[in-house]
Amino acid sequence: DGGITQSPKYLFRKEGQNVTLSCEQNLNHDAMYWYRQDPGQGLRLIYYSQIVNDFQKGDIAEGYSVSREKKESFPLTVTSAQKNPTAFYLCASSAGLEETQYFGPGTRLLVL
Amino acid sequence: QQQVKQSPQSLIVQKGGIPIINCAYENTAFDYFPWYQQFPGKGPALLIAIRPDVSEKKEGRFTISFNKSAKQFSLHIMDSQPGDSATYFCAASKGYALNFGKGTSLLVTP
Repeated sequence: DGGITQSPKYLFRKEGQNVTLSCEQNLNHDAMYWYRQDPGQGLRLIYYSQIVNDFQKGDIAEGYSVSREKKESFPLTVTSAQKNPTAFYLCASSAGLEETQYFGPGTRLLVL
Repeated sequence: QQQVKQSPQSLIVQKGGIPIINCAYENTAFDYFPWYQQFPGKGPALLIAIRPDVSEKKEGRFTISFNKSAKQFSLHIMDSQPGDSATYFCAASKGYALNFGKGTSLLVTP
């Protein structure tokens, strides 16, 4: 069963805490992405990675960090520097940077 | 700055109707225009996509119309069904960066 998995489905963050969102794909895609979705808004790009051990900032990277140590995994850390982290976070992957992007089911992050 | 403007924000049609969602863009370098469908609490799923070398593309009940000179493209859903009730996003890109519209919430009533 090929696809993109994200975990957890819901995540709660306390003040000053860093949290990490998981994204795994078994599509053998080279490129992976993280988007943030707020109510009534389109998706905004946080980070993207074209290949292993390489990643680039998107439009709203401040307060976030990523790593790409394995082709199939692209975890996102929401740091305490992100002052408004409540949102729906979506991971996507594509065969290449100019190929169709496929999305995971998302993680909803809430602040306690 | 919103690079892709989508309208309407919400839309209600009766079953069998033909909802039309419109998008406009400014950057003439964009060369890929996908539409995504999203159900509540789920990730967006690719519905249909078009490149600017064609003016129309059909896949099942979904049609994209593309007007390069006007820098506009639209999604038509033929014979709409209650199961089509979802949020629809248009996007435009050149390379990796998908620029999304803000979405249209569609409700198809029985």
